[in-house]
Amino acid sequence: DVKVTQSSRYLVKRTGEKVFLECVQDMDHENMFWYRQDPGLGLRLIYFSYDVKMKEKGDIPEGYSVSREKKERFSLILESASTNQTSMYLCASTRENIQYFGAGTRLSVL
Amino acid sequence: AQKITQTQPGMFVQEKEAVTLDCTYDTSDQSYGLFWYKQPSSGEMIFLIYQGSYDEQNATEGRYSLNFQKARKSANLVISASQLGDSAMYFCAMRDTGNQFYFGTGTSLTVIP
Repeated sequence: DVKVTQSSRYLVKRTGEKVFLECVQDMDHENMFWYRQDPGLGLRLIYFSYDVKMKEKGDIPEGYSVSREKKERFSLILESASTNQTSMYLCASTRENIQYFGAGTRLSVL
Repeated sequence: AQKITQTQPGMFVQEKEAVTLDCTYDTSDQSYGLFWYKQPSSGEMIFLIYQGSYDEQNATEGRYSLNFQKARKSANLVISASQLGDSAMYFCAMRDTGNQFYFGTGTSLTVIP
């Protein structure tokens, strides 16, 4: 079974804090993705990575950065969290062209 | 331009009945993939079914089938014999030739006992 693990299900942070969202997959997948999900907007791609140390901007990268130092781990970083980054964050990795998702992290920025 | 369109924000179905969730897509690629995901209230996105653009047969996975009409650019999900556990959000998605994924805004399905 494909396993994509996100480190936190729920997270509450204060405005201005630096926030790390971690995602780990155990299937040696090359492609990994970070999305945010907001009601009525569906999933929007923030960043993706095709290999270690490689990253590509998605549709809404502003206010975010990513890190992929190891193949199995893809981290999303909010350098200075803001209230408009309150959202559901979903990590995914791809095997045989199918995306498999983690359980999601509900982030609240106060 | 919106790549994936789901026109039904909410749907209701009686338990044990079949239901069709609509999805249309927009692409000029010859090779692409179509997907359906289920998202229960817990939040996890669960992969349900996949259809390749060159597949001539409609994909089926248990009670799920994908009604693929290429000329109409539609990829509707059919759930047969609905169960209470089918109540969830359902997302249609497409992968293009460049391996970019696009998601619709989702349909909320409620199964009524």
